[in-house]
Amino acid sequence: QVQLVESGGGVVQPGRSLRVSCAASGFTFSRYAMHWVRQAPGKGLEWVAIISYDGSNKYYGDSVKGRFTISRDNSRNTLYLQMNSLRPEDTAVYYCATEWEWYFDNWGQGTLVTVSS
Amino acid sequence: QSALTQPASVSGSPEQSITISCTGTSSDVGYYNYVSWYQQHPGKAPKVMIYDVSKRPSGVSSRFSGSKSGNTASLTISGLQAEDEADYYCSSYRSSSTYVFGTGTKVTVL
Repeated sequence: QVQLVESGGGVVQPGRSLRVSCAASGFTFSRYAMHWVRQAPGKGLEWVAIISYDGSNKYYGDSVKGRFTISRDNSRNTLYLQMNSLRPEDTAVYYCATEWEWYFDNWGQGTLVTVSS
Repeated sequence: QSALTQPASVSGSPEQSITISCTGTSSDVGYYNYVSWYQQHPGKAPKVMIYDVSKRPSGVSSRFSGSKSGNTASLTISGLQAEDEADYYCSSYRSSSTYVFGTGTKVTVL
């Protein structure tokens, strides 16, 4: 069965960097576009970024554009989100999700990133 | 990127029907038939309930249905059950491979 496991979350100071990962299994990872979606504590879902199946195309939400970079390693079945210049408002649970015909099909359980001094 | 607008809360008694609205613009909900709905229980990951405005994934109860008129999409839950109590989010494709979520609706079963 499809499994997505996020990792790498933690507490980081404002202005610093952090990379979170999403390990995929149970499906052919290299055939699917992938998303990152985040949810601040007690708040709603916010779309963060998408990467095409082969990594050639990447798109971002306005709030993270220029600071975050989505990438993937299809040989390792792993999705990444490099987060630079972190701000307190980036504090959230970060979910990875598979893309299937313009909707978010399978989701991981998320990893919590806390930006605080 | 403004979020799609949903009511903050909707409630109903068991076996009743409720409808959650999701209002966007002519650049997202009104233009594309790529509206989806997600159910999220506390502390859990979201789960897709409806995609492409009105299609149900395998395994999702037929009590859940979706529709769209103009810039507003709707999710209807018929025969409301206790396990339907959760947060619900709509989402729409918004051109150039970007997406947007709704503000979220808390459904309470009275």
